Amino acid sequence: DAKTTQPTSMDCAEGRAANLPCNHSTISGNEYVYWYRQIHSQGPQYIIHGLKNNETNEMASLIITEDRKSSTLILPHATLRDTAVYYCIVRVNYGGSQGNLIFGKGTKLSVKP
Amino acid sequence: NAGVTQTPKFRILKIGQSMTLQCTQDMNHNYMYWYRQDPGMGLKLIYYSVGAGITDKGEVPNGYNVSRSTTEDFPLRLELAAPSQTSVYFCASMGGGAKQYFGPGTRLTVT
Repeated sequence: DAKTTQPTSMDCAEGRAANLPCNHSTISGNEYVYWYRQIHSQGPQYIIHGLKNNETNEMASLIITEDRKSSTLILPHATLRDTAVYYCIVRVNYGGSQGNLIFGKGTKLSVKP
Repeated sequence: NAGVTQTPKFRILKIGQSMTLQCTQDMNHNYMYWYRQDPGMGLKLIYYSVGAGITDKGEVPNGYNVSRSTTEDFPLRLELAAPSQTSVYFCASMGGGAKQYFGPGTRLTVT
């Protein structure tokens, strides 16, 4: 699995957009970019994933650069409840021995009032 | 639909004791996983299963065993508990959509 690099921590003002970057310069052609978050030691929660096109769902948007070497997770209107550790993970899109999630340390996002 | 459930939520073990962490999912997912998370760290994979009767080691399997007799259940067994196994344990399941759904975790302390 490709390795990812994320900033250790970030702050964001409540109501503003939170933009979380991730570098994955060694990503393979069949690997997807996944984002999960973990709120205060709860189980990780899936946010979004994508291959090469930008993706949007009810939680967030994912912007992947054309060369796929980096991506940005966007929380459009951050709330205090979005304070969490955010993990960027690259992996193939199926289960079994190659489908495991490899978690790094992630980015601790603090949303401030 | 309860998703992934784990029991117990908390447990304190003495060194050398054994216990089983329970994990059940009601989404009919084939894939199930056990992770551990040490303080301030990311998750590490202990064992995984691709279906009933099939299990395999992850990154940190030593000191643990698993079984998968049904699609729903994936218990994790700790034999001869050691202080190094103090951690938070998460179980997860995954269906065809490649999204993993996590349980609430079991906080284990070995003293």
